[in-house]
Amino acid sequence: DVKVTQSSRYLVKRTGEKVFLECVQDMDHENMFWYRQDPGLGLRLIYFSYDVKMKEKGDIPEGYSVSREKKERFSLILESASTNQTSMYLCASSPVLNRWENIQYFGAGTRLSVL
Amino acid sequence: AQTVTQSQPEMSVQEAETVTLSCTYDTSESNYYLFWYKQPPSRQMILVIRQEAYKQQNATENRFSVNFQKAAKSFSLKISDSQLGDTAMYFCAFMKTSYDKVIFGPGTSLSVIP
Repeated sequence: DVKVTQSSRYLVKRTGEKVFLECVQDMDHENMFWYRQDPGLGLRLIYFSYDVKMKEKGDIPEGYSVSREKKERFSLILESASTNQTSMYLCASSPVLNRWENIQYFGAGTRLSVL
Repeated sequence: AQTVTQSQPEMSVQEAETVTLSCTYDTSESNYYLFWYKQPPSRQMILVIRQEAYKQQNATENRFSVNFQKAAKSFSLKISDSQLGDTAMYFCAFMKTSYDKVIFGPGTSLSVIP
């Protein structure tokens, strides 16, 4: 089975701190994604990556950056955390582009609270 | 731009009954993929069922089936013989065939009542 692992289930940070959310997948997937999940808004795409060192902005990239130095690892960085970034963050991976098999596999999520 | 709407924020169903979750979407594309994902409480989101728009036959996966109405841009999920383990958030999602990104709806919280 595909496994997508997010490093923390719960995280509490202070306003202004630099925050790293880590995601690792074990199935050699090309694509990786970071979403933010808020009640009533569903999942909104922050950034995605279709290859090592490649990244694309999603719908809400402001205040975030990402890093993909290795194929299996995709990190989300909050440069200076703010209270409006308190949310659930979901990482996902998928195997291919432009194909029927492009199913997304999700991690368990990181619930981040910024105080 | 594509949008996905789920008009039912919360629903409940008695165990063993049938429930239908609604989803509508807006697109000018002729071919695309539609998905239903399930997120159980405190557990990972998983794919329930998927449909390719050019296929007229509705997809079925065991107790889960869809009613795909392309002209109406509607993609509802029917769960038959509801089980307690079906309690979850359900997200409808859309993706163009030329990969862009997956657009998720706001979700429907389903509770199965014993």
